[in-house]
Amino acid sequence: EPEVTQTPSHQVTQMGQEVILRCVPISNHLYFYWYRQILGQKVEFLVSFYNNEISEKSEIFDDQFSVERPDGSNFTLKIRSTKLEDSAMYFCASSEPFVYEQFFGPGTRLTVL
Amino acid sequence: RKEVEQDPGPFNVPEGATVAFNCTYSNSASQSFFWYRQDCRKEPKLLMSVYSSGNEDGRFTAQLNRASQYISLLIRDSKLSDSATYLCVGLDSSYKLIFGSGTRLLVRP
Repeated sequence: EPEVTQTPSHQVTQMGQEVILRCVPISNHLYFYWYRQILGQKVEFLVSFYNNEISEKSEIFDDQFSVERPDGSNFTLKIRSTKLEDSAMYFCASSEPFVYEQFFGPGTRLTVL
Repeated sequence: RKEVEQDPGPFNVPEGATVAFNCTYSNSASQSFFWYRQDCRKEPKLLMSVYSSGNEDGRFTAQLNRASQYISLLIRDSKLSDSATYLCVGLDSSYKLIFGSGTRLLVRP
């Protein structure tokens, strides 16, 4: 069964450093998303991406965040200058065209020290 | 009003029991609905979509009442492996998922 993959599984970084989280969505999916979940809190939407551009972004997704699809398979989330409050699980998700169900990757646990 | 609201639980039930979870939503999260399950420190996994006519998948039944803005999930014949957090999720008009805080289920032997 095809699945979304994410790397790394765990990233530890110092405050102010840049991090790039990577995702490989399911191959025939065209809609891509990033969500995050701070420990003990609900899953929150960050950004959606379709046709090589951002479709929607939340208030959390400020100028420190960016997304990119650098090739035909990867989808990345970059945080330019990490803050302590960026520590969370970051989930990538993807969905087929005209289908509402979104499928999640296993997540990257980001720890900012 | 919170967009998607759930009782956090935990629901502690014996194996074989029937358990029901409820969820209410606001208008902003009203395009479509889903139940996801999430194990500790894992990703949300799609359990089932929720259709207006109600739908069943094995031991799981989901119902949607748009007039009351209410969604339910019924689990029959609970298994130990059903222990998890159940997330009620709405899809808003811009196709982003809006998650509830989840209801924790513990199934005991």
